[in-house]
Amino acid sequence: AQSVTQLGSHVSVSEGALVLLRCNYSSSVPPYLFWYVQYPNQGLQLLLKYTTGATLVKGINGFEAEFKKSETSFHLTKPSAHMSDAAEYFCAVSDSSNTGKLIFGQGTTLQVKP
Amino acid sequence: GAVVSQHPSRVICKSGTSVKIECRSLDFQATTMFWYRQFPKQSLMLMATSNEGSKATYEQGVEKDKFLINHASLTLSTLTVTSAHPEDSSFYICSAGIYRDLGGYTFGSGTRLTVV
Repeated sequence: AQSVTQLGSHVSVSEGALVLLRCNYSSSVPPYLFWYVQYPNQGLQLLLKYTTGATLVKGINGFEAEFKKSETSFHLTKPSAHMSDAAEYFCAVSDSSNTGKLIFGQGTTLQVKP
Repeated sequence: GAVVSQHPSRVICKSGTSVKIECRSLDFQATTMFWYRQFPKQSLMLMATSNEGSKATYEQGVEKDKFLINHASLTLSTLTVTSAHPEDSSFYICSAGIYRDLGGYTFGSGTRLTVV
């Protein structure tokens, strides 16, 4: 069965510091992996996704993630945090049925301190 | 890019009444729409899969008679919460895409339902 674990429900960084949000997955099939951001009372915005090919994926707003099969990880990083990055972040893996269903992690709240 | 509109964004209803939430794909035809539910400070849980022209498929534990889903066209799916109760208060989000296009689903902006 597919599952996603996000390590750390709450991450706090200073403005300008490195952002690292951790995600580990379990998948019985080659996974499609996603990172989404959610602002309060809003839907999900896709930051980036890994389907096949290059394992280092670049997304919007300066975020990137690296797919590491050996570690079953897909951690999200950004070199320098901005205040506007404060939000909830969700890692997700495609369901093994490959119909488009997503299995989400529990989410990580990113706080950015001035 | 693909745009999915969800309406209403916020609704308050009385206990015992029904509420309909719409999910529209504005610039593409969506053969499949997913409906998720999100409780405060929690993750998204899939409720059901809606395929155009066929009956919705519900996840285990989701009452299909309570959460009625209709996907009558390639651009519109609706979720009706029937006989709503306070415990149905939640954030409901849809996503729309093409069947089996794993990387191509777009999320709506969500609907905050409050049952009083």
